[in-house]
Amino acid sequence: KQEVTQIPAALSVPEGENLVLNCSFTDSAIYNLQWFRQDPGKGLTSLLLIQSSQREQTSGRLNASLDKSSGRSTLYIAASQPGDSATYLCAVTANQAGTALIFGKGTTLSVSS
Amino acid sequence: NAGVTQTPKFRVLKTGQSMTLLCAQDMNHEYMYWYRQDPGMGLRLIHYSVGEGTTAKGEVPDGYNVSRLKKQNFLLGLESAAPSQTSVYFCASSRQVGNIQYFGAGTRLSVL
Repeated sequence: KQEVTQIPAALSVPEGENLVLNCSFTDSAIYNLQWFRQDPGKGLTSLLLIQSSQREQTSGRLNASLDKSSGRSTLYIAASQPGDSATYLCAVTANQAGTALIFGKGTTLSVSS
Repeated sequence: NAGVTQTPKFRVLKTGQSMTLLCAQDMNHEYMYWYRQDPGMGLRLIHYSVGEGTTAKGEVPDGYNVSRLKKQNFLLGLESAAPSQTSVYFCASSRQVGNIQYFGAGTRLSVL
């Protein structure tokens, strides 16, 4: 059974720092991997989607990498801002199921000004 | 752009009552999903649909039923609510399998 783990569970950094959020998955046979952002009391917003054949994706200050063979992905946030404070969720689409996202429990990020 | 809209936003039920959560999307997506989010458990898939008139079970389907009579709507029903169904429910949709999933704002349900 596919399991997704995110470390750390919580992270506090001062404004301006570069930071890395980690995601690991137990079965390397994935279709793709997505990173989401969730603000308190709100829904999820997709940040980046990496297909299984890709190594990384970039959007603005965000860069996500994927190493399928080792079952790892990282989300790099450059020059963090207070507005980046949120919970970041990693999710994989399994090859076999094809439809379901399997989520990690998230990393809650707090960026102080 | 409305995207994915969930109604209601909040609801309190007594044990044994029934209710239906409505999800509507205006993006002409084929796939729709219902998840629940619980502290310490993350998001888990309840049911999903790959097109109008079709539904399938996810990871935690017990106690829930769904229907997809129209492409744009996906209904989640609780026939006899239990306290264990207290949760935040999210609906999502995607154009095809493996595409980006777009989420609604969620429904917070409390069962007393």
